[in-house]
Amino acid sequence: DAKTTQPPSMDCAEGRAANLPCNHSTISGNEYVYWYRQIHSQGPQYIIHGLKNNETNEMASLIITEDRKSSTLILPHATLRDTAVYYCIVRVSSSGSARQLTFGSGTQLTVLP
Amino acid sequence: NAGVTQTPKFRILKIGQSMTLQCTQDMNHNYMYWYRQDPGMGLKLIYYSVGAGITDKGEVPNGYNVSRSTTEDFPLRLELAAPSQTSVYFCASSPPVSSYNSPLHFGNGTRLTVT
Repeated sequence: DAKTTQPPSMDCAEGRAANLPCNHSTISGNEYVYWYRQIHSQGPQYIIHGLKNNETNEMASLIITEDRKSSTLILPHATLRDTAVYYCIVRVSSSGSARQLTFGSGTQLTVLP
Repeated sequence: NAGVTQTPKFRILKIGQSMTLQCTQDMNHNYMYWYRQDPGMGLKLIYYSVGAGITDKGEVPNGYNVSRSTTEDFPLRLELAAPSQTSVYFCASSPPVSSYNSPLHFGNGTRLTVT
C-alpha cells in the first residue's frame, strides 16, 4: 500500500471550513483513499473514501487531484466536536487479501472557539 | 445493532500474567482485526481474520495469539504479559470481500496496563 504524508497538526476556527491535506505520491491506479478520524479515547471512525472522483457525504467532502498524488478532506463547517486526529490511508484491495489498513500518525485537528 | 463490542474497557495486569481481550460483532462481517495503539502513535495491526477458522499475522504479532471459532467473536490472548504490551487495543470488523472497499468498524478499545 502507498505511503501517505500528513501535517502533524492544524487549527481551525469554529464554523469555518477545515481543509486537511494528504500527499500520496506513490499511489497506484487501483488504490483507494480513505479518511478516518479518532476522537480522544475512542475507536477510529470512518469518514469517507474515494478512488478518483470527488466524493461528498453528510460528514465531509473529499477532493482528489487529477493525478491522484494528493487529496484534501474538507469539513465544511467545523465544530468543537470535530477536534480529533484525522488519518489519511491509501490501500488496494483484492479478493484474495484481507482488508488491512495501515494507520500512520495522522493530523491533529484542533477546532478553536 | 451494537456494532463492535470490546470487553473489558480497562485492565491492569502484572508481568507474566495472562488474559483474553474479548471482541464480538453483530454485523455478520467476515473480516475482523486487532490493532494496538501506543500513546501518541498510529494503529498497528496485530492479527486479522478473513473468516471463521482462518487467522493471520499482522505487523506486530509477537506475544499475542488469536482464534476465530465463530463469525461473531475474535478474542485476543496475551500469554505472558510484558510492560511493552501496555497499550490501547482496538478490534475492528468489515463486510464480506464482495464489498471490499467498505470501511472498517471499530470498537471503543481496551486500555491495558502491564506493571
